[in-house]
Amino acid sequence: GQQVMQIPQYQHVQEGEDFTTYCNSSTTLSNIQWYKQRPGGHPVFLIQLVKSGEVKKQKRLTFQFGEAKKNSSLHITATQTTDVGTYFCAGPTDSSYKLIFGSGTRLLVRP
Amino acid sequence: ETGVTQTPRHLVMGMTNKKSLKCEQHLGHNAMYWYKQSAKKPLELMFVYSLEERVENNSVPSRFSPECPNSSHLFLHLHTLQPEDSALYLCASSQGLGGNTEAFFGQGTRLTVV
Repeated sequence: GQQVMQIPQYQHVQEGEDFTTYCNSSTTLSNIQWYKQRPGGHPVFLIQLVKSGEVKKQKRLTFQFGEAKKNSSLHITATQTTDVGTYFCAGPTDSSYKLIFGSGTRLLVRP
Repeated sequence: ETGVTQTPRHLVMGMTNKKSLKCEQHLGHNAMYWYKQSAKKPLELMFVYSLEERVENNSVPSRFSPECPNSSHLFLHLHTLQPEDSALYLCASSQGLGGNTEAFFGQGTRLTVV
């Protein structure tokens, strides 16, 4: 079945270091979404990418959608302790009526 | 405040109990979802409702029974659960079915089955 894989599973960085998480789909996606879940919290939508090769920025966060629309990345520049949480990518199924979530990358930031 | 409210926030129940989880959305969305989040698994979609009709039932055991009386409310009725059902249960809503629009999640119900 359709799968969305995410790596790494965990990343522990020193505050100020950069962080990247990668998302790979077994099928071409019409769009990819990214969510952040703080410890003890719930997933919160960050962004949606639709176009092949699209790059979007939100302050220190840079999101990229691959040319083949099968992979995506989230890069955080100069991490801060407020970036701590689990980052999920999600893509629609072939039928498009539901989202499949990746397993998430848990980011820990040492102050 | 996401516009999606879940109650209760925490629930401890015995394996012979019957309980219900409630979700209410104030966003005017027409699709609602139940997800299960366990410690070592990705978010698992359980049920999808669109305009109060169940669209998806992802091979969920019958001890979980959803109910959607209107487009703003979603329930998950629980009975004779197992300890492995302990998890965070998340409700979400979206404008249109979920693949192409962002999902708004509630804060979840942390369920412990003893």
